[in-house]
Amino acid sequence: EVQLVQSGAEVKKPGESLKISCKGSGYSFSTYWIGWVRQMPGKGLEWMGIIYPGDSDTRYSPSFQGQVTISADKSINTAYLQWSTLKASDTAIYYCATSRVVTEMDYWGQGTLVSVSS
Amino acid sequence: QSALTQPASVSGSPGQSITISCNGTSSDIGGYNYVSWYQQHPGKVPKLMLYDVSKRPSGVSIRFSGSKSGSTASLTISGLQAEDEADYYCSSYRSRSSTTYVLFGGGTKLTVL
Repeated sequence: EVQLVQSGAEVKKPGESLKISCKGSGYSFSTYWIGWVRQMPGKGLEWMGIIYPGDSDTRYSPSFQGQVTISADKSINTAYLQWSTLKASDTAIYYCATSRVVTEMDYWGQGTLVSVSS
Repeated sequence: QSALTQPASVSGSPGQSITISCNGTSSDIGGYNYVSWYQQHPGKVPKLMLYDVSKRPSGVSIRFSGSKSGSTASLTISGLQAEDEADYYCSSYRSRSSTTYVLFGGGTKLTVL
């Protein structure tokens, strides 16, 4: 059974850094893309970017390029989403999801709530 | 980056059919057959309902179907059921200025009357 387990909720202050994780199991982690999706409170889904753990090929949405960093460690079947300087507007639920290809997201993690407030 | 355009809401009665549209451009929907649709119930994780315009993942009801004409994709739900009440999002592969990525629509709230 394919499973993606995300790290727990985070409460941070503006200006702080953060790295959240997504651990995959039940499939060949290195040969599936893992993408990240943002959902701000009461809003829709936003595609942030995606990584292929096998060779670390990474694609970003222009809206998120330079704002976040996506990475993966295939030795521990884990993908990451990180910020160097959080803003209040980063408050959202962040989902990871697997893709056989870049264009769809088949299996989803449970989501990580990130709250940024002074 | 502007999202794909969906109606904010649609509604229908049980047993009826509804269609949700998703308008894009020649750089996304109009240029590629890589349209997906996701269902999200309140407080729940999104679920892939259709991919490659009209293909259904295993386990998705045949009541869900998809199509595309030009730069507009459509999701049709037939035999509407109460459990179909949810938010629906389209997505498409986009290639613009040598950058390729995926784009979501703004979402459509489906109400089953």
